[in-house]
Amino acid sequence: SQKIEQNSEALNIQEGKTATLTCNYTNYSPAYLQWYRQDPGRGPVFLLLIRENEKEKRKERLKVTFDTTLKQSLFHITASQPADSATYLCALEGGSYIPTFGRGTSLIVHP
Amino acid sequence: GAVVSQHPSRVICKSGTSVKIECRSLDFQATTMFWYRQFPKQSLMLMATSNEGSKATYEQGVEKDKFLINHASLTLSTLTVTSAHPEDSSFYICSARDSAGGSADTQYFGPGTRLTVL
Repeated sequence: SQKIEQNSEALNIQEGKTATLTCNYTNYSPAYLQWYRQDPGRGPVFLLLIRENEKEKRKERLKVTFDTTLKQSLFHITASQPADSATYLCALEGGSYIPTFGRGTSLIVHP
Repeated sequence: GAVVSQHPSRVICKSGTSVKIECRSLDFQATTMFWYRQFPKQSLMLMATSNEGSKATYEQGVEKDKFLINHASLTLSTLTVTSAHPEDSSFYICSARDSAGGSADTQYFGPGTRLTVL
């Protein structure tokens, strides 16, 4: 069955460092991979989308890589700030425009 | 950017009552809206796809008579949890896809509704 894995343990880092979150998937051939931010008690907010034929995407302090051979995406936040603390979800779409979500990884940036 | 609202944001009800949750796209038209449920520290689980002017498509294991969906206009979809029970307590989130958008990234999520059934 299709499976999306994100590290369930919270990632704790110091302000100013680069945070790197991982999303692995199995039994899936996604056309798109998306990253969302979710704050407690709130709905997800779209951050970045990367297509299967793209290796890397950047947006301000955010960078996403997509390796379809490894079946993995890495999400980087450079110069992290306490305000970046949230849960980050990865989601895969197979072209149906209906994403399947991972559980998310909690990021805690310490001042 | 596009905004999706949900109402109410929180609701507490007694077991056996029905609860209606509204999802509105505020500045765009949405032919398709999606309803998700999220339990604590779990991923969003798609419940159903709501299509304007037609019946909703439910995911496997979701009871359509329990979770009634009405997509009456291009800006409004409603989810009614009928005869709610404590196990229905969860965080319900809707999302809307911009009808004018042709790419996968034009999907916007509402702020969610926390349902607690006593």
